[in-house]
Amino acid sequence: AQTVTQSQPEMSVQEAETVTLSCTYDTSESDYYLFWYKQPPSRQMILVIRQEAYKQQNATENRFSVNFQKAAKSFSLKISDSQLGDAAMYFCAYRAYGGSQGNLIFGKGTKLSVKP
Amino acid sequence: KAGVTQTPRYLIKTRGQQVTLSCSPISGHRSVSWYQQTPGQGLQFLFEYFSETQRNKGNFPGRFSGRQFSNSRSEMNVSTLELGDSALYLCASSLVGQGNGYTFGSGTRLTVV
Repeated sequence: AQTVTQSQPEMSVQEAETVTLSCTYDTSESDYYLFWYKQPPSRQMILVIRQEAYKQQNATENRFSVNFQKAAKSFSLKISDSQLGDAAMYFCAYRAYGGSQGNLIFGKGTKLSVKP
Repeated sequence: KAGVTQTPRYLIKTRGQQVTLSCSPISGHRSVSWYQQTPGQGLQFLFEYFSETQRNKGNFPGRFSGRQFSNSRSEMNVSTLELGDSALYLCASSLVGQGNGYTFGSGTRLTVV
């Protein structure tokens, strides 16, 4: 069974600095999708960035980028120029490719605090 | 464009009762999934519906059930509520296509007393 592990329960970063959140996963599949979701106190899960496993190039969305290491099964999220609004729970998620396996498998999350 | 709408936002029920939660997906999204979020277990997948058919189901007891209507709106039902069912229930919708991320609603906070 696939699993997703986030080893950092809490992280803190100074405003305008850069922070990296770690995620590792376990799967025997070769094709899959990886996501980072943000959950602020409003509770709504917001998609931050996604990565297709078959793509070598790391995904980037404005200040958010990932370091995808397929062989190591690692998928870290880098937040540059951190802002107060980035404070939230961040969840790494895996989704299998194809068929009926459409559900997301989440890690336990990393709580990110941003200091002014 | 309206997002995923979940109702109600908060709910308090007594042990043994049943509850129905509602989810309206983004217009055009035909896939709807439900997740349970608790401090101890994190986010766990309940079930997924596509075109009114349950396509995938998580490891939850039969007390948890759901359905999807022709307009893609979905409901989930929990019967014979237990204290451990207290959680945030999140609904997510998606366009057809494997690579699309899900769009989540703000959830229903269920408290069982």
